[in-house]
Amino acid sequence: GNSVTQMEGPVTLSEEAFLTINCTYTATGYPSLFWYVQYPGEGLQLLLKATKADDKGSNKGFEATYRKETTSFHLEKGSVQVSDSAVYFCALKGSQGNLIFGKGTKLSVKP
Amino acid sequence: GAGVSQSPSNKVTEKGKDVELRCDPISGHTALYWYRQSLGQGLEFLIYFQGNSAPDKSGLPSDRFSAERTGGSVSTLTIQRTQQEDSAVYLCASSLGPSGAGELFFGEGSRLTVL
Repeated sequence: GNSVTQMEGPVTLSEEAFLTINCTYTATGYPSLFWYVQYPGEGLQLLLKATKADDKGSNKGFEATYRKETTSFHLEKGSVQVSDSAVYFCALKGSQGNLIFGKGTKLSVKP
Repeated sequence: GAGVSQSPSNKVTEKGKDVELRCDPISGHTALYWYRQSLGQGLEFLIYFQGNSAPDKSGLPSDRFSAERTGGSVSTLTIQRTQQEDSAVYLCASSLGPSGAGELFFGEGSRLTVL
């Protein structure tokens, strides 16, 4: 069945450090892929998405590239800020339309 | 409304009691989803409604859990005879439809604590 595996946190970085959060998936075919973010005290919101192989999603300085060869969708940001502290969830869209999420990675950025 | 609205935001109940959680999706969204967020377990899919089709209940953890969606809009998730392991944040989301890369819009959740 479909599943998503993402690196376990927590991840603690200093401001301006480079961020990578790994995400790999198992699925039939080529599902759309997503990163959602949950800031402290807020609901989940879409960060970025990619709908087909080699697509790159980007938003707020974050990027992720849909790699079908490695079934991966790693999240990257070149220079993190304190305001990026949040929980990040990788997800794929199942054939029924629901999202299947990874377990989330908590990021803390220190000034 | 402007976003997905859930109520109550917090619910504390005693083991064995029934609880109802409500979700009001974004107007015009035909798809509605319930998820459960537990510490260390990530986001667990529970149930999915799309238009007038039969709901996908494949994620419901036991027969104590049920959900309905009246008039294609508001949804209620009911947990009967609550257990301590039901304690979690229950999230509702809606989207325009099930296909493609349509974004899911999430509510802020209902935090359930079973004593």
